This record gives sequence, C-alpha cells and structure tokens, in this order.
Amino acid sequence: NAGVTQTPKFRVLKTGQSMTLLCAQDMNHEYMYWYRQDPGMGLRLIHYSVGEGTTAKGEVPDGYNVSRLKKQNFLLGLESAAPSQTSVYFCASSPHGRGGSYNEQFFGPGTRLTVL
Amino acid sequence: TQLLEQSPQFLSIQEGENLTVYCNSSSVFSSLQWYRQEPGEGPVLLVTVVTGGEVKKLKRLTFQFGDARKDSSLHITAAQPGDTGLYLCAGVLRSYGKLTFGQGTILTVHP
Repeated sequence: NAGVTQTPKFRVLKTGQSMTLLCAQDMNHEYMYWYRQDPGMGLRLIHYSVGEGTTAKGEVPDGYNVSRLKKQNFLLGLESAAPSQTSVYFCASSPHGRGGSYNEQFFGPGTRLTVL
Repeated sequence: TQLLEQSPQFLSIQEGENLTVYCNSSSVFSSLQWYRQEPGEGPVLLVTVVTGGEVKKLKRLTFQFGDARKDSSLHITAAQPGDTGLYLCAGVLRSYGKLTFGQGTILTVHP
C-alpha cells in the first residue's frame, strides 16, 4: 500500500496563475482533508470531504476550491495564486471523522508551493 | 489566536536529558492526539488519548490527558538524537468534529 500520495512535490507559480494539487489514497478511507502548514502556525484545515461527491469548508477556505469525484482522490485547486498562498500543503485521510471519537489521520508527504 | 497553545515552541537539549512539552486550551476536547513530523514528511500519529486523566506510554514517551480534558503533556525520558522533530498536538472539539492543531514544538536533541 502506498498510503497517501501527493502530486507534485514542489511547484513555483507566478501571481495569478492557477494549479491543481492531487491527493490519492489507497486505504479506502471515507474522509479526506487538505491542510496548509506555515511556520509557527501548525496545520490549518482548508477543505475536507466526508465522502465521494461531498466537500466542505474548513478554517481557511478562501482562495481554494476542491473536488472529490472519486473516493480515492481529493483535488485542491488554486484559481488565481497569491503570494499569501506560499506554504506547504498536506493531504490526509481517515477512516471516519465523526466528532466525539478519535480518528487517526494519515498524511501525505506534502507539496511545497511558492508563489512569486 | 490558537485554540491549542503548545509550549515551548523550540527546545534544544543534549542527549540523555528529559523534557516535557505542553498543550493547553480553554476548551474541552473529546480526544487529543500527538503527532511527530520529520523534515520533508507529513505528520505521523504517535498516540490518541480519550479519557480525562489518561496516561499512555510509548517506550520513552509518556502522554497524559488532563482530568478536565483541556490540556495534555508529552514527556520524553533520556532523549536521543532520533527524537528530533516537530511535535504537534491536535484535539477534536465535540462541537467542531475536526482536528484542531497546536502550532507545534520543534525539538532538537544534540549528540
């Protein structure tokens, strides 16, 4: 099992350009998440999905869109990149995410994005 | 404002020393997790605590969940260079249902 994989690993964009980050998991997990990690701020949730065909906003959703057309894939899109979106992006998946119970999240290796 | 405050943010110690990392909040959590992250990789779960007052041990690492489920600590005994990394606490709020992360503690253990 590959677990959670992310494509690409690194990317440099110019302000205003668009791109899509791809996340894939082979663990048949229902829930998938996109986080961004910035120095001194931990991980912040951008968007998440509780199942195929569903998406929801997290803590910092502005400037991002997502899609979950297949259970194993979760795409994160930046329509018009801004320097403030320079960050390391992590995808994660979990078997479930119901509040009140623990839910181990499995993380991908991250995508380092720089917006000039 | 961070919902989960970790302290210290940076810790640099010598091999063999003991250390404690704290994770504090004014909110009550259904459960709390500790993750460890190495450079260039994603976080990996170390432990989940669910019950107030719960203590879990993982070799030289001891995790404790506060009685009121508002805080947690990670204690490492006789630290080794292999313990170097970023340690993150993350809690599940009953009202939110998603993991909320602390800002992390960067630990460096010198040989």
